[in-house]
Amino acid sequence: NAGVTQTPKFRVLKTGQSMTLLCAQDMNHEYMYWYRQDPGMGLRLIHYSVGEGTTAKGEVPDGYNVSRLKKQNFLLGLESAAPSQTSVYFCASSHRQGAYNEQFFGPGTRLTVL
Amino acid sequence: GQQVMQIPQYQHVQEGEDFTTYCNSSTTLSNIQWYKQRPGGHPVFLIQLVKSGEVKKQKRLTFQFGEAKKNSSLHITATQTTDVGTYFCAGPTSGTYKYIFGTGTRLKVLA
Repeated sequence: NAGVTQTPKFRVLKTGQSMTLLCAQDMNHEYMYWYRQDPGMGLRLIHYSVGEGTTAKGEVPDGYNVSRLKKQNFLLGLESAAPSQTSVYFCASSHRQGAYNEQFFGPGTRLTVL
Repeated sequence: GQQVMQIPQYQHVQEGEDFTTYCNSSTTLSNIQWYKQRPGGHPVFLIQLVKSGEVKKQKRLTFQFGEAKKNSSLHITATQTTDVGTYFCAGPTSGTYKYIFGTGTRLKVLA
């Protein structure tokens, strides 16, 4: 049981390049989330999904796209990377809301855009 | 939009001293969660509070949810070096599955 995994762990991009971050979970969770973490800013929600085939915008969705073609995977795409997207990206998943819907986080992807 | 603020932003304490971080929401929350993130690590769930005025304890950690369900606190008694990290609160936005995280309180414990 690996929990939530993210690939890659590190990446350096040049401005204008594109890339996809992959998140996978093996806990059969319905909900999945993408956050970015910047110093002094806490965790900010980019996009989230409440089930396979569905996605929704979070607090800071501009410049990102997501897809949830399979229940266990949630992909985050950067179409044209900008230096402002330099950040640590965390994926998380949780069960459908109930008594407890704790979020399980992946180890993160550290992205630098030059 | 909904905001969740935490104070203080940083706290340095001597080992053995107590520590408290406060979380304030601009709107009433149906529940509040607390997470801990060790340096270089990822956030790990600590607890969820649901009821107005609820108090829960986990060993040296005491969590409170305010009567109006707009604020919460985490108190650590007799801090240890293992308590080092950033503590975040998170509350759901009304009617959605989105959680808004506070800015976090970074705790440093000096041995």
